[in-house]
Amino acid sequence: DAGVTQSPTHLIKTRGQQVTLRCSPKSGHDTVSWYQQALGQGPQFIFQYYEEEERQRGNFPDRFSGHQYPNYSSELNVNALLLGDSALYLCASSQRDSPYEQYFGPGTRLTVT
Amino acid sequence: GEDVEQSLFLSVREGDSSVINCTYTDSSSTYLYWYKQEPGAGLQLLTYIFSNMDMKQDQRLTVLLNKKDKHLSLRIADTQTGDSAIYFCAEFGPRGYQKVTFGTGTKLQVIP
Repeated sequence: DAGVTQSPTHLIKTRGQQVTLRCSPKSGHDTVSWYQQALGQGPQFIFQYYEEEERQRGNFPDRFSGHQYPNYSSELNVNALLLGDSALYLCASSQRDSPYEQYFGPGTRLTVT
Repeated sequence: GEDVEQSLFLSVREGDSSVINCTYTDSSSTYLYWYKQEPGAGLQLLTYIFSNMDMKQDQRLTVLLNKKDKHLSLRIADTQTGDSAIYFCAEFGPRGYQKVTFGTGTKLQVIP
């Protein structure tokens, strides 16, 4: 039973560029949440997707957007990258009826230069 | 409020017990968690406790919850060098949000 997987593992981008990060949830899970973890900080909630729609959103600008596919996999897109977007981006999956059990993937390390 | 607070650093000797403490502010929190993060890795869910419980034990891990004081602790018995990591206290919510709110993490250093 595969856990949460994310790709790529590492990514280096330049200011102003756009990036897409990908997540496949744990088998049997239908809800995907994205978190940003800056260096030395705890993860911060970006948004959550269920039934292919954004359901909840944290305090992040519109440059951060996402998508969920019918197979429950998800993408996080960030436009107009800033140096401050450098962080570990974590995907968590859960079941709709057990939202409190969120299992995290290994993350994508994004570096913006 | 959503603040979850932890001390930043804890150092213990191998074989001793470690106790990591956390305070949270949202009294409506239903689930409280401990996650472990090793260097360069993602988050591992160690354990969680429902808010109507006072204690939960799982092998070497003991979680204590004091709802009155909004205090959560994680005790690791017989601490091993492999326990060296950052430990995050977290709560589910706040109310109406299906997210996990994390503290800043406690770095546990185990001295051989």
